[in-house]
Amino acid sequence: AQKITQTQPGMFVQEKEAVTLDCTYDTSDPSYGLFWYKQPSSGEMIFLIYQGSYDQQNATEGRYSLNFQKARKSANLVISASQLGDSAMYFCAMREGGGYFGNEKLTFGTGTRLTIIP
Amino acid sequence: DAEITQSPRHKITETGRQVTLACHQTWNHNNMFWYRQDLGHGLRLIHYSYGVQDTNKGEVSDGYSVSRSNTEDLPLTLESAASSQTSVYFCASSERGFGDEQYFGPGTRLTVT
Repeated sequence: AQKITQTQPGMFVQEKEAVTLDCTYDTSDPSYGLFWYKQPSSGEMIFLIYQGSYDQQNATEGRYSLNFQKARKSANLVISASQLGDSAMYFCAMREGGGYFGNEKLTFGTGTRLTIIP
Repeated sequence: DAEITQSPRHKITETGRQVTLACHQTWNHNNMFWYRQDLGHGLRLIHYSYGVQDTNKGEVSDGYSVSRSNTEDLPLTLESAASSQTSVYFCASSERGFGDEQYFGPGTRLTVT
C-alpha cells in the first residue's frame, strides 16, 4: 500500500477562492508527523506546515492550515484566499519511526499541481 | 544569510562514469539528506547523515554513496552512472532530523546518456 496518497494530480482554482489539497496516509506507527511542501516552477522545495500525530490542534501558518483527521488518516492542506503565487506543485510527506537514530524515514507523495486562475 | 547550495546545477554524463554532486550548507545543521525526484514518484530518499562520520541508506540507495567528513558538506557519488539515474537531485538539511522542517537546495539536474 502507498504510504502517502495524493489523489489529485492537478487542480484549477479561481483566484481568491479557498483550496483544499487532499492527502491520506498509511502507518502503524503511533508517533508520526505530516508535512506539506510547495515546489514552484523554479524548482526549490519550500516548507509550509507540519502536524505531529499527538498534536491536539490543527496546525496553521498564515493562509495555510492542515485539516488533520487522525481516524480517517487524512491530512489535507487548506489554502485560504488563493493567490496567483500559489500556483505550484504541492507535496505531502510523512515522517515515521521513533527515536533519533536508526529507523526514522520520510516518505513523500507524488504531488498535486495547483494552478490559480486570475 | 544561511543557505544550502548544490553544484553543479546541471550535468550531462555518460553511462559508466563516476559522478559526484556537491552539497554545502551554512545552517550548521547536523542532519543532511539526499533525494531524487522523478515524475510519478515524488521525492525519494537516497542517503542521509545525522552528523560527521555518520551515513545511512535510504529507500533508493543502490548505486549511490555519500561521505560526511565535516558538518557543512555531504557529497553524493554515483559510482558508475546508469541511465536510470537520470533525475533531479535535491540535498536538504535540518536541525532536528526527520521530524523537523528541512531546508532544500536548488537541485541538480543530472542526465546520463
